[in-house]
Amino acid sequence: ETGVTQTPRHLVMGMTNKKSLKCEQHLGHNAMYWYKQSAKKPLELMFVYSLEERVENNSVPSRFSPECPNSSHLFLHLHTLQPEDSALYLCASSQGLNRGDGGYTFGSGTRLTVV
Amino acid sequence: AQSVTQLGSHVSVSEGALVLLRCNYSSSVPPYLFWYVQYPNQGLQLLLKYTTGATLVKGINGFEAEFKKSETSFHLTKPSAHMSDAAEYFCAVSDEDRDDKIIFGKGTRLHILP
Repeated sequence: ETGVTQTPRHLVMGMTNKKSLKCEQHLGHNAMYWYKQSAKKPLELMFVYSLEERVENNSVPSRFSPECPNSSHLFLHLHTLQPEDSALYLCASSQGLNRGDGGYTFGSGTRLTVV
Repeated sequence: AQSVTQLGSHVSVSEGALVLLRCNYSSSVPPYLFWYVQYPNQGLQLLLKYTTGATLVKGINGFEAEFKKSETSFHLTKPSAHMSDAAEYFCAVSDEDRDDKIIFGKGTRLHILP
């Protein structure tokens, strides 16, 4: 399998649940990202990892907890979410932390609904 | 701070007509510019990018964009729209302070009329 794969595609969870989103890339990229896409809002960068080290946390609430065990896998652990956290969560990867690398490769996203 | 402005959150064109999606940016350094497309229930896919060199950039699916420094614009065009072009399109610019960051516009949804 090639590209960036995200699972699950859809997730419905209660506010007291704990769940995790998974992202896997088979491109040999060294940087991975989590984005949040809400209706009528620009894409919001949440986390950036380079060579498994977190280099960016854009003031994301602590109820979102990322994990990058190796350069191919990225997780987003969720707990005690709020209804306003319902959104499409996109994972992306890039060759490295260099704007000339040509942009990002995105996964298909996880559609999260918090009830 | 940098920004990306996409004029029109929705654009409708007839099948076979010219597609023009507008993008203006602000940056104090030479930017790297990107256009992405998002089809329903999918992630974003890179259409084309401008880094250096030729200002007219050709991408996939017959799209192209021209970097105009004097107008701080990077408009996306396609000579003849196809039904399969219906999607949301995002313009993006590289962050002038952070090599790892891309700033996205709010997106333009393209509708193709039969």
